[in-house]
Amino acid sequence: DTGVSQDPRHKITKRGQNVTFRCDPISEHNRLYWYRQTLGQGPEFLTYFQNEAQLEKSRLLSDRFSAERPKGSFSTLEIQRTEQGDSAMYLCASSLLRGPGDYGYTFGSGTRLTVV
Amino acid sequence: SQQGEEDPQALSIQEGENATMNCSYKTSINNLQWYRQNSGRGLVHLILIRSNEREKHSGRLRVTLDTSKKSSSLLITASRAADTASYFCATPDKAAGNKLTFGGGTRVLVKP
Repeated sequence: DTGVSQDPRHKITKRGQNVTFRCDPISEHNRLYWYRQTLGQGPEFLTYFQNEAQLEKSRLLSDRFSAERPKGSFSTLEIQRTEQGDSAMYLCASSLLRGPGDYGYTFGSGTRLTVV
Repeated sequence: SQQGEEDPQALSIQEGENATMNCSYKTSINNLQWYRQNSGRGLVHLILIRSNEREKHSGRLRVTLDTSKKSSSLLITASRAADTASYFCATPDKAAGNKLTFGGGTRVLVKP
């Protein structure tokens, strides 16, 4: 493993279309997080998984957003009926639950979504 | 609302100078983390300081934490052009899977 991989790096889509992003975390990491970042802002939490269980979803995650992590490995984030306001960088991060102390994340390079 | 707020929002310095940025947060924490983000890229974890630590060093980075003031600072010494990036502080919510809450970041420009 060289890190967290995200695919695609860039996605341009027309308003109303569905898009799906993929994240491959570091294999031994059991926690996987999705964040959204708009220009000039810090990342905003969307959702996280521990193994295959989705444990929390932000109120930012409308019904048009769905995330999965089958078998506790890679994760997908799908946005249905995209809107221009969905344009952002979507970041995936993973971490290993070890106990109190080190909780640094490893981030992927992100998927930049542009809705036209 | 964001847990961490960085100050200043932007910083422009000459190569070789030091860069200092501050972060304030609102609730009690177990640790505070700093991340760097180069333009259009993902974030890179720089350093983590625990709530019982007051200062930590990593290479040219020095981080302080004052839990009584709910603030932290990141100092980059002898800056280089490659340090040009946005820097974010973040705090984990232990009750929520250690999800990180990020501030708005400080954009640092190091001029050669």
